[in-house]
Amino acid sequence: QARLVESGGGVVQPGESLRLSCAASGFTFRSHGMHWVRQAPGKGLEWVAVIWYDGSNKYYTDSVKGRFTISRDNSENMLRLQMNSLRVEDTAVYYCVRWGDDKVMDVWGQGTTVTVSS
Amino acid sequence: DIVMTQTPLSSRATLGQPASISCRSSESLVHSDGITYLNWLHQRPGQPPRLLIYKVSQRFSGVPDRFSGSGAGTDFTLKISRVEAEDVGVYYCMQPTQFPHTFGQGTKLEIK
Repeated sequence: QARLVESGGGVVQPGESLRLSCAASGFTFRSHGMHWVRQAPGKGLEWVAVIWYDGSNKYYTDSVKGRFTISRDNSENMLRLQMNSLRVEDTAVYYCVRWGDDKVMDVWGQGTTVTVSS
Repeated sequence: DIVMTQTPLSSRATLGQPASISCRSSESLVHSDGITYLNWLHQRPGQPPRLLIYKVSQRFSGVPDRFSGSGAGTDFTLKISRVEAEDVGVYYCMQPTQFPHTFGQGTKLEIK
């Protein structure tokens, strides 16, 4: 059964960095693109970034461009999100999501919480 | 960016009765491959979202057949034929046709 487990969240001050990780299991990780989606407290869902199955393409939402970097290690079945220059508005639960056939987000992790506060 | 607008933002449904949610996109969701990509997700309190419907009307694996999706172009609808208690939560439409992928604001479904 496909499973995604995020880690790396925490409380940081504005301007600091965090690196999120997502461990994938139960499916052929190297065959799937992967997304990060976030949800601010009490708010809706916001797509953050995507990486192609082989890492060849990456896209970001405008608000994180130049600050966040999505990457993957197919040998370790790991997805990562390096977050630099964090802002208060980056506070959210960050979900790791599998990109399935027909452009679906078909497997979601439980999320990891990032809090940016002074 | 494609803006996704859902109505209503909140709904109270009666058990066993139908419910529906509308979603409108600011641009056509017809991809260059000719397919319309519009998905619906459901999020229960304290849980991650889960996929319900993809490509407008295709039910994802394990989704009960009381859920159905319809629409075309820029106007889409999610219908629940007979609401059950487990259907409470927030429903999101989202478009994966182009980047950035965008979500509707969410519709909160409660039981009367």
